[in-house]
Amino acid sequence: QKEVEQNSGPLSVPEGAIASLNCTYSDRGSQSFFWYRQYSGKSPELIMSIYSNGDKEDGRFTAQLNKASQYVSLLIRDSQPSDSATYLCAVNGGNQFYFGTGTSLTVIP
Amino acid sequence: SQTIHQWPATLVQPVGSPLSLECTVEGTSNPNLYWYRQAAGRGLQLLFYSVGIGQISSEVPQNLSASRPQDRQFILSSKKLLLSDSGFYLCAWSVQSGNEQFFGPGTRLTVL
Repeated sequence: QKEVEQNSGPLSVPEGAIASLNCTYSDRGSQSFFWYRQYSGKSPELIMSIYSNGDKEDGRFTAQLNKASQYVSLLIRDSQPSDSATYLCAVNGGNQFYFGTGTSLTVIP
Repeated sequence: SQTIHQWPATLVQPVGSPLSLECTVEGTSNPNLYWYRQAAGRGLQLLFYSVGIGQISSEVPQNLSASRPQDRQFILSSKKLLLSDSGFYLCAWSVQSGNEQFFGPGTRLTVL
């Protein structure tokens, strides 16, 4: 059974702070890793994809991948109230993705 | 650009009734297509995926079925709904396996 684990939270940070979201996965053969944002009642929206070890930055978002430790994280700098959502980690395995159950983030104004 | 549509947006059905949810993708050819279910407060559960017309892989044994009658059309069906079928049904597409998946707006199904 391929597993993706996330801390369910809730995680609360003040506006302007850095939010750190973490994810671990069990399948060492996974090659593709993704972060999705899901607002309440809405469908998931792709934020970041990362395929190689190290950091990948896109605006206020940075994804970090460490395949040796089977760990992927998402940092959100200068957090805004509009970032309040559930963040889903996804890992590929063959023809499909495996999703974590998500971390709920609340940014407090 | 690519667009993915799902309908209906919401549905309330009695136990034992049939179900048909439709998903269509525009702006791409031969996409991989996926059906997921998200129960309240839970993660995404992959139900079916398809790599081409008429090619369906099932991940979870249940009373649901899927079909892909056209390249960019994916249909989720049931002959008799159960209470446990309630949830948020999401269709997604990708260029190929391992690439980003993009989700449709979803169908919220309540079985009473």
